[in-house]
Amino acid sequence: GESVGLHLPTLSVQEGDNSIINCAYSNSASDYFIWYKQESGKGPQFIIDIRSNMDKRQGQRVTVLLNKTVKHLSLQIAATQPGDSAVYFCAENPPDTNAGKSTFGDGTTLTVKP
Amino acid sequence: GAGVSQSPRYKVAKRGQDVALRCDPISGHVSLFWYQQALGQGPEFLTYFQNEAQLDKSGLPSDRFFAERPEGSVSTLKIQRTQQEDSAVYLCASSKTGEPTYEQYFGPGTRLTVT
Repeated sequence: GESVGLHLPTLSVQEGDNSIINCAYSNSASDYFIWYKQESGKGPQFIIDIRSNMDKRQGQRVTVLLNKTVKHLSLQIAATQPGDSAVYFCAENPPDTNAGKSTFGDGTTLTVKP
Repeated sequence: GAGVSQSPRYKVAKRGQDVALRCDPISGHVSLFWYQQALGQGPEFLTYFQNEAQLDKSGLPSDRFFAERPEGSVSTLKIQRTQQEDSAVYLCASSKTGEPTYEQYFGPGTRLTVT
């Protein structure tokens, strides 16, 4: 069967390597997903989103993958830089929820070593 | 540029005191949200305004928590008779429209410590 990445609370990578951050979501009815980056002392910052009718979406240096079968999201960061060091959260939204009533997953602390 | 601002950034309150936390959303943003973030965890939804109307307050943990946005811009989250379990970062976010849109802009948060 297909292997699914485990959620890790911390991830350490070398500068220039690719990073993969995993998230398991809880509600099979959720139809919209967002990745946020939160730096120390700041609020979460939107990175990329994906709707449930897609399984992949690419942004600048980031890619989100969605596997609805196993309720799994991943965020891939290419050529990770020291400025990418932060806590990353996935968030899910069931249909018909008002904007913002997201359920956030457990965060992953990404540390990029120079 | 002007983002979402919150004040104070840090607040220490003795147990039993009342506190008021302020959020200034991005000018013209219709929707405003409050979240509570415990240490090491993701934010949890508290309440949502569309203009001055509080459309959802299902996340407020008790009747000690009260939020208002009387003129549809600045919002205040008030916590009465604070308890130690209220210690957290309180985040405010705004978004441009009242339709389901998820690009929210978060403020830096107010860190509340109840002693």
